Parts: sequence; structure tokens; C-alpha cells
Amino acid sequence: EVQLVESGGGLVQPGGSLRLSCAASGITFTYHWMSWVRQAPGKGLEWVANLNEPGNDKYYSDSVKGRFTISRDNSKNSLYLEMDSLRAEDTALYYCATHGGRKFGLWGQGTLVTVSS
Amino acid sequence: QSALTQDRSVSGSPGQSVTISCTGTSNDIGGHDLVSWYQQHPGKAPKLMIYDISQRPSGVPNRFSGSKFGNTASLTISGLQAEDEADYYCCSYSGLYHWVFGGGTKLTVL
Repeated sequence: EVQLVESGGGLVQPGGSLRLSCAASGITFTYHWMSWVRQAPGKGLEWVANLNEPGNDKYYSDSVKGRFTISRDNSKNSLYLEMDSLRAEDTALYYCATHGGRKFGLWGQGTLVTVSS
Repeated sequence: QSALTQDRSVSGSPGQSVTISCTGTSNDIGGHDLVSWYQQHPGKAPKLMIYDISQRPSGVPNRFSGSKFGNTASLTISGLQAEDEADYYCCSYSGLYHWVFGGGTKLTVL
């Protein structure tokens, strides 16, 4: 089955860290740019970060640059998002998505990150 | 990286057509032919409906069409059906491998 499954979300205190994972199946993972997109409760979508097929070119939105790190392990068909110095405004549902062909083609169901004391 | 501007809500009756607009700047929509649209039902993940301004992925009904003029992109849904009721988001390339979404439009089928 073609799917992306995110995990690793949870409750974390402000200033804390969290690592999200996204497991891909049913696709040739190494063929795809990958992205993280988030959605705050009741709000719209926000692009967070993306990286190329080998994982050596990485790009971040201004809101997370310097605090978040995107990476991938092609041997495990997995995408990651390391989040440090978390803030209340980082509270959101985090989706991973394929980003080939300049479009977000396949989305996971998301993992919820809540930053609160 | 300001979000693209979308109307908060639009509505239409079954069988009618509706158009959802998305306004950006010359740095994003106006400067690149890389606009996509996503449909999101409550509690569900977004789904790609249109890419490269007007291309439909396999499986998306041809009732959905996209266009662009200047700094504004549009999604038109013809022959509205009840299942089209959802939130719709536009997205554009904004340079330097960055992407920006619209604030979303809630479509109500009356």
C-alpha cells in the first residue's frame, strides 16, 4: 500500500526538543524530494522544510530555520524532523509529504506536536 | 514569507460552478508557473487537486480546473457536488526552494 506514516509527536515543554519520523511504503522513496508541512489547530497549512533525493540539499521556512533540522535515511525509507528550542507557536499537526515535480503529491495523516508547560 | 490571500469562504448550490481565488505577489504566483491546489476534508490529510497551475493528477475529476492571471491564481469547480464541500488551499513556489500556502477557503455546498 502506498502510504506515509508519521510518528513521534507529543507534548513537550517550551524550549524542549522532539524528533518526528515519517515512514514511506509503496513508493520508490529515493525518487522523491520530501517535505514537512504543518497545520496549527484550526489554521491553514504552512510549509516547514524540504530536502532533495540524496538529502544533501535542505531548505527551511524562516519561522523554523536554525531550530529545526530535516534529514532522511534512504536505506530505511524514512524522513525525519529534529525540532529544538520549541515554542508555543510550533504547536501543530505535522505532515510529511512527497515533493516531487514541484507538488505535494502524497501526504501522511500527520502527527500532533503540542508545546505547552 | 507572507501567506497567499484567499477568501475565507465561498458557497454554491449543487450543479453550480464556484471559483476560489488566491492572490500573491510577483515573487510567488506572478513570478512562477508553479501553483498547486489542495482539498482538505475535516480531520483528513490534504489531497492534491491541481498542480502547475492547471494540471490534474490522475483520478481528479475534470470538474476541477485551474488558471492564473498575473499575481492571482484560481480554482474553478463546475457541477458542484456535496462531496466537494471542504477546505481548499493554494500553494506557490516563492523562490530559493521555498513554498508558500494560502490561508484556505471553506467551500460550502448549499
